[in-house]
Amino acid sequence: GAVVSQHPSRVICKSGTSVKIECRSLDFQATTMFWYRQFPKQSLMLMATSNEGSKATYEQGVEKDKFLINHASLTLSTLTVTSAHPEDSSFYICSAGYVGFHEQYFGPGTRLTVT
Amino acid sequence: GDSVTQMEGPVTLSEEAFLTINCTYTATGYPSLFWYVQYPGEGLQLLLKATKADDKGSNKGFEATYRKETTSFHLEKGSVQVSDSAVYFCALSDGGATNKLIFGTGTLLAVQP
Repeated sequence: GAVVSQHPSRVICKSGTSVKIECRSLDFQATTMFWYRQFPKQSLMLMATSNEGSKATYEQGVEKDKFLINHASLTLSTLTVTSAHPEDSSFYICSAGYVGFHEQYFGPGTRLTVT
Repeated sequence: GDSVTQMEGPVTLSEEAFLTINCTYTATGYPSLFWYVQYPGEGLQLLLKATKADDKGSNKGFEATYRKETTSFHLEKGSVQVSDSAVYFCALSDGGATNKLIFGTGTLLAVQP
């Protein structure tokens, strides 16, 4: 149980365009979803925390107008990278959890390349 | 604030060698502790966890014991295999309303045949 999927697994887009990444909890209801960014050979950096039906809470230094997060249902959260630039190229990982449970379940990640 | 420190890699071992990856933490409360593993090209998978002092988490031959007195959660395996080659992340959760995870920097393990 506790499977989280991400779509797409890889995406290449041109500079200036927007890209949407989906994160789904397949077999449980995720009250909280997290979005991370991982640079090569580095740890995960938490970008934002989203609770179903409310606005996401962004970590310091993360531009909320650039990284739009929506958590419209208990099984789906989306991250939209707006006006993407090459420096946005990275591995984006989501995770999901529910209130009162310490564990997070991670998606397989999305490799974004901006050309 | 809360933080996790783990040994820098890469760690290179021969097959069947003993593995230790050190992890220490700083936390104001009583965190839960985790080890996650990331195989090449994949997302993170939970390897093991411990939710209170003196708990031992174990899975796939890996073990880690929650030591409150030394604020440590070292990962060990008695005999590593080539298939264990991956990046290992130590993490803590303070169990607050947001259930945030705080990760260490990750340790790359390379096991050679």
